[in-house]
Amino acid sequence: EVQLVQSGAEVKKPGESLMISCQGSGYTFTSYWIAWVRQMPGKGLEWMGIIFPGDSDIRYSPSFQGQVTFSADKSINSAYLQWSSLKTSDTAMYYCARPRSGSFADAFDIWGQGTMVTVST
Amino acid sequence: SYDLIQPLSVSVALGQTARITCGGYNIGSKNVNWYQQKPGQAPVLVIHRNLNRPSGIPERFAGSNSGNTATLTVSRAQGGDEADYYCQVWDSSTGAFGGGVFGGGTKLTVL
Repeated sequence: EVQLVQSGAEVKKPGESLMISCQGSGYTFTSYWIAWVRQMPGKGLEWMGIIFPGDSDIRYSPSFQGQVTFSADKSINSAYLQWSSLKTSDTAMYYCARPRSGSFADAFDIWGQGTMVTVST
Repeated sequence: SYDLIQPLSVSVALGQTARITCGGYNIGSKNVNWYQQKPGQAPVLVIHRNLNRPSGIPERFAGSNSGNTATLTVSRAQGGDEADYYCQVWDSSTGAFGGGVFGGGTKLTVL
């Protein structure tokens, strides 16, 4: 079964750092892009950017460039989303998602279960 | 940036047909994907490349795309279809690489 499994919920304070993960299984991890999608409480989906684990080619949405860092470790089929200094406005559910094909522009047919990040004093 | 406009909400009587629109400049020239998201769950792809249904999605879900409007049609609406629906495209006009764009989402209520 093709699936993406994300790390568990996190509660952090402003200014702290954080890395969440997304592990793929059931397919060749290095052949498909992985996208990150943010959903703030009660709001819609926002495309943050995309990474190709095969060679760590990364493209950020202009809205998220400089705010987060993507990375991948193909030896353990995992992609990561990282913050160096969290803000309360980073409180959201974060999803990883995989396109249907090897194209970064294809529809996302596989989604992780989401990781809830709460940033509060 | 490329904007996708969806109505905030659409209501449909049980068993009737709901139409959810997604407006964007010349969206007919792009491939539109649709996702269904129920409360507390991850999104699920219901239509890709304008009109194609993934395996396991009922034939009651159909997509079309022309001009400045893409439409998701849900026929014979059931209570289980109540969800938020999002359209999505790849905007190749954003820089050399482009980027993904989601519409704001539409809450479908089945009465």
